[in-house]
Amino acid sequence: DIQMTQSPSSLSASVGDRVTITCRASQSINYYLNWYQQKPGKAPKLMIYATSNLQGGVPSRFSGSGSGTDFTLTISTLQPEDFATYYCQQTYSSLMYTFGQGTKLEIK
Amino acid sequence: QVQLQESGPGLVKPSETLSLTCAVSGASITSGGFSWSWIRQPPGKGLEWIGHVYYTGNTYHSPSLKSRLTISVDTSKNQFSLKLSSVAAADTAVYYCARVKRYDHGAYYYYAMDVWGQGTTVTVSS
Repeated sequence: DIQMTQSPSSLSASVGDRVTITCRASQSINYYLNWYQQKPGKAPKLMIYATSNLQGGVPSRFSGSGSGTDFTLTISTLQPEDFATYYCQQTYSSLMYTFGQGTKLEIK
Repeated sequence: QVQLQESGPGLVKPSETLSLTCAVSGASITSGGFSWSWIRQPPGKGLEWIGHVYYTGNTYHSPSLKSRLTISVDTSKNQFSLKLSSVAAADTAVYYCARVKRYDHGAYYYYAMDVWGQGTTVTVSS
């Protein structure tokens, strides 16, 4: 099974900050990496697919990069609505679409 | 626009079978380039992929749940379902259904869950 590890598990930041969340796969997953945003009591929302492609309607302050085993999600200028939990997910293996454990982004 | 809606009992007794249905509206479940997935989230915890199904009936299951899990599709009703047998307290979670979209990028296909249901809470308790 492919394991996905996110870091940090939680992060405190201020509006206007630039933040980066990291996701590491236990084996190479090429570019098969997605990022989701989840707010309390809500379903996850797809933000980025295939490492760096913004889903429609997602603000351009979100970006993704990486390949192989190491990936990052960057928010260039944090807005109040960006405080949420973020999950990475690999879809390299159709046998199991694994999620990372999540990174909770909180207001400092 | 495409919408997914989960339905099923909110309370299931230990050792019984949890049954959920996800109704798809705004799109045909037989549309090419999509599969249909179940995900769950225990209280206060992260997301766990359960499995997904194609309209052909082909399925993929989480290895940890495979022995207890059935995922099926009903194209006549435009919906898909989950059955999880012999449930225990550890199966208490919010259960989500989601559409898995195939994104075509040149020679490669990428997959992501682009539409989600609102989720339904299932509690396992006597």
